[in-house]
Amino acid sequence: AQRVTQPEKLLSVFKGAPVELKCNYSYSGSPELFWYVQYSRQRLQLLLRHISRESIKGFTADLNKGETSFHLKKPFAQEEDSAMYYCALYRDFGNEKLTFGTGTRLTIIP
Amino acid sequence: NAGVMQNPRHLVRRRGQEARLRCSPMKGHSHVYWYRQLPEEGLKFMVYLQKENIIDESGMPKERFSAEFPKEGPSILRIQQVVRGDSAAYFCASSPPRGRTEQFFGPGTRLTVL
Repeated sequence: AQRVTQPEKLLSVFKGAPVELKCNYSYSGSPELFWYVQYSRQRLQLLLRHISRESIKGFTADLNKGETSFHLKKPFAQEEDSAMYYCALYRDFGNEKLTFGTGTRLTIIP
Repeated sequence: NAGVMQNPRHLVRRRGQEARLRCSPMKGHSHVYWYRQLPEEGLKFMVYLQKENIIDESGMPKERFSAEFPKEGPSILRIQQVVRGDSAAYFCASSPPRGRTEQFFGPGTRLTVL
């Protein structure tokens, strides 16, 4: 069965410092990986997906199949990045559900 | 487009009562998913529905829980004879028929069982 692991429940980073939120997955097939973000008092929303290979709000994430990781990175943290971040996996071939990690609460210290 | 709507946002029930959670998908979306988030845990998949069909209910508890997505009206997640362990946030998401990988989430319903 597929699994998504986010080892850090809480992460505090100073403004302007680099950010890395870790995500590891276990799945033998070809997964599709996502990062979702939930800002305070807002609904969960898609931040980025690995297949689009784009940078959103300065965040990037590279799928590393060898290490089965999909870490989220930003070179310079901003206060508005404070939020809850969830890594999610979507299986291929018709299984429509997302498997979520437990989430990491990122706090940016001014 | 108002986005995925869920109501109520907060629901309080006593043990043994029934809870009904509603989800209206985004306009044009025909796929609905329900997830549950227990305290200190991530979101866990419960059920995936299309109009009038349950496609995957592998995450649904075997008893007391049911879901439907009728031809007309919102999707309903129904919990009968609630127990304290059912207290959680329940999220609904929807996706269009094409490009199904992106799911759009509602604000969630927080169920508290007294």
